[in-house]
Amino acid sequence: EPEVTQTPSHQVTQMGQEVILRCVPISNHLYFYWYRQILGQKVEFLVSFYNNEISEKSEIFDDQFSVERPDGSNFTLKIRSTKLEDSAMYFCASSVENSPLHFGNGTRLTVT
Amino acid sequence: DQQVKQNSPSLSVQEGRISILNCDYTNSMFDYFLWYKKYPAEGPTFLISISSIKDKNEDGRFTVFLNKSAKHLSLHIVPSQPGDSAVYFCAAMSRDSNYQLIWGAGTKLIIKP
Repeated sequence: EPEVTQTPSHQVTQMGQEVILRCVPISNHLYFYWYRQILGQKVEFLVSFYNNEISEKSEIFDDQFSVERPDGSNFTLKIRSTKLEDSAMYFCASSVENSPLHFGNGTRLTVT
Repeated sequence: DQQVKQNSPSLSVQEGRISILNCDYTNSMFDYFLWYKKYPAEGPTFLISISSIKDKNEDGRFTVFLNKSAKHLSLHIVPSQPGDSAVYFCAAMSRDSNYQLIWGAGTKLIIKP
């Protein structure tokens, strides 16, 4: 069964550094999402992406965050200048229209 | 503003018995509800969903019930198996919010042998 893959599984970075989290969605999916879960807290929506543009974003997704679909297969989340509070599990998801989201296994980001 | 609430952080059930996971919501505009299951160190896995025009959806051992007047949904797992031990998330979405998923906090289900 096709799946969403995320790399790396764990990323450690220093505060203030830029980090790029990578995702390969399921190939025929058109809608792409990033979520995060801070340890012990709820899963939070960050951003949705369709037709090469952001369709929806949350308050968390400020100017430090950006998303890109640089080619036909990858979907990336960039955090420009990481803060300690960005430490979380980041989940990528994809879907076709009107169908449940399929999630990757996540990237654990640790900001030190 | 917690639009989706799962008030039980954990639930322990004997193997073979029924597990009932509950979820309440406040936004009457939600038109689609989903249950996801999450194992440690893995992403959430879709389990079952229900449209707001239905009151029940069944898939094997899993049944979701929706009570729109009470703004309440529940997931029933019968019979419960050890592999069902996981964190279960209730999520809701509406067309108005561009299918943005609103998540509950999750309920950790422990199946005792």
